[in-house]
Amino acid sequence: IAGITQAPTSQILAAGRRMTLRCTQDMRHNAMYWYRQDLGLGLRLIHYSNTAGTTGKGEVPDGYSVSRANTDDFPLTLASAVPSQTSVYFCATRFGGADTQYFGPGTRLTVL
Amino acid sequence: GESVGLHLPTLSVQEGDNSIINCAYSNSASDYFIWYKQESGKGPQFIIDIRSNMDKRQGQRVTVLLNKTVKHLSLQIAATQPGDSAVYFCAENAAKAWAGNMLTFGGGTRLMVKP
Repeated sequence: IAGITQAPTSQILAAGRRMTLRCTQDMRHNAMYWYRQDLGLGLRLIHYSNTAGTTGKGEVPDGYSVSRANTDDFPLTLASAVPSQTSVYFCATRFGGADTQYFGPGTRLTVL
Repeated sequence: GESVGLHLPTLSVQEGDNSIINCAYSNSASDYFIWYKQESGKGPQFIIDIRSNMDKRQGQRVTVLLNKTVKHLSLQIAATQPGDSAVYFCAENAAKAWAGNMLTFGGGTRLMVKP
């Protein structure tokens, strides 16, 4: 059982390019989340999904979109990357009515 | 606005000593708190959690204390080991049902264990 996998591990991207970060879980957790982590700013929520077929905006959603076609996958798309989106991105999951979120290993993204 | 914060950005302790990492929160509606450990290059790892109807909860070498009167949370690590060196985050869940139990994170404290 892998838990939560994220791909790619790291990526360098030219500004203006489109990029999709992938997140896959095998725990059948209902809720999934995308965070970005920046020095001095901690973890900030980008988008979330309480269950397959639904998504919602977090604290910093601008420039990002998500989809939740099934329980296991929650891709995050940057339609036109900008340097301010340089960050480490973490996917997280949560089971049912529980509060604990579990995190993936992260994707380090650099936009030049 | 409401926030979760930490008092000390860096804590340096001697191996074998006890460590105490503090966190202040301001959202009185929060009913769940959690501590994560993040090692360099890895994702946050769950350590221990506590609900607002408790004052103390113990795990293996870790204890979380909750003081609702002063809105303060602390993580105590007994007999700190080099493997405990990491950044520690506290987070709170203000039970916003519409938002799917989102967590609000503090900025993190770096724990450095000296051999």
